[in-house]
Amino acid sequence: EAQVTQNPRYLITVTGKKLTVTCSQNMNHEYMSWYRQDPGLGLRQIYYSMNVEVTDKGDVPEGYKVSRKEKRNFPLILESPSPNQTSLYFCASSIQGSEQFFGPGTRLTVL
Amino acid sequence: GQNIDQPTEMTATEGAIVQINCTYQTSGFNGLFWYQQHAGEAPTFLSYNVLDGLEEKGRFSSFLSRSKGYSYLLLKELQMKDSASYLCAVTLGNGQNFVFGPGTRLSVLP
Repeated sequence: EAQVTQNPRYLITVTGKKLTVTCSQNMNHEYMSWYRQDPGLGLRQIYYSMNVEVTDKGDVPEGYKVSRKEKRNFPLILESPSPNQTSLYFCASSIQGSEQFFGPGTRLTVL
Repeated sequence: GQNIDQPTEMTATEGAIVQINCTYQTSGFNGLFWYQQHAGEAPTFLSYNVLDGLEEKGRFSSFLSRSKGYSYLLLKELQMKDSASYLCAVTLGNGQNFVFGPGTRLSVLP
């Protein structure tokens, strides 16, 4: 089944404790993105990648890192999480000029 | 900066037609997507407009006017399952920089 998977689905952590949210797709898509979704603000793009080893900042990259060492994986790294990074996070993948397929979401709470 | 506007909430009756508008002021416009998102779930793709005009797909149609910075999503023969948020998104530059609007929450009443 073609899909985008994210892990973990739910995470509660404390300020300053490094964490990684994994994202994997099995559709051989070149493009992958990370978003955060907050009430009243909609989806905001954090980072995107157009291929292996090619990443670029979206609208809200501060406090986040990404890497794209393999085509199928695009992990999101929070080196020192803070409470304002409490949010619902979505990973997505696509081919050029086509729709994005979203993962199921990761609900992160930073205390 | 980039700005995308949508109405916050709309209500319509089962079987009716509803039009959800989206206006945008962005630089480097590439195309416009519409997504549907049910509460607690991931967004799913509805339509994509690159050129001016109407794209029809079953009960859903989407219109784009690039010169006016305007799009709408038209939903016909509304069903209860259409109660969801509808997200308008513009792609910029290389086509992978997405800017989403705040979303419109549609409630379909019996």
